[in-house]
Amino acid sequence: QKEVEQNSGPLSVPEGAIASLNCTYSDRGSQSFFWYRQYSGKSPELIMSIYSNGDKEDGRFTAQLNKASQYVSLLIRDSQPSDSATYLCAVNEAGANSKLTFGKGITLSVRP
Amino acid sequence: EPEVTQTPSHQVTQMGQEVILRCVPISNHLYFYWYRQILGQKVEFLVSFYNNEISEKSEIFDDQFSVERPDGSNFTLKIRSTKLEDSAMYFCASSTPPGQSTHSPLHFGNGTRLTVT
Repeated sequence: QKEVEQNSGPLSVPEGAIASLNCTYSDRGSQSFFWYRQYSGKSPELIMSIYSNGDKEDGRFTAQLNKASQYVSLLIRDSQPSDSATYLCAVNEAGANSKLTFGKGITLSVRP
Repeated sequence: EPEVTQTPSHQVTQMGQEVILRCVPISNHLYFYWYRQILGQKVEFLVSFYNNEISEKSEIFDDQFSVERPDGSNFTLKIRSTKLEDSAMYFCASSTPPGQSTHSPLHFGNGTRLTVT
């Protein structure tokens, strides 16, 4: 059973702080990694994708991948109240468009 | 920006009835998926569909479920004889063909909330 684990939340940070969200996965063959944001009652919205070890930055978001440690993280700089949502880590196996396995998600609350 | 559209947004049905959930994927996407999310739980994979056939399905996707692409734009999920535990948010998603070794990101529709009473 391939697993994707996320820190138990919720995570609360003050406005302007850095929020750090972590995820580990069990399948060493995983090749593609994604962070989705999900507001309550809404669909997952893609925030970041990362495929290679290292960091990938997009605006206030940085995804970090370490395949040796089977670890992927998301940093949100200058957190805003509008960032308050559940963040889902998703991982897929190598090859064609096979299924994504999602973590349970971590709920982030940014305090004004 | 192109988007995946799903109808209806909310479906209420009685146990034992059949429901059809509809999706219009993004027009140049070739891979289609159904996921579901029971309230408070993980997003779970149900089925993927490519080239007019199922390419992968989960244990959840048993004989009660079927998918179809009846024309060039719609992608449907049929649930026969619904059960109380089928109550969930059902998300349709689509993606472009993959890169050499990487998975293309999924674009999700807004979901259909299915309530089985």
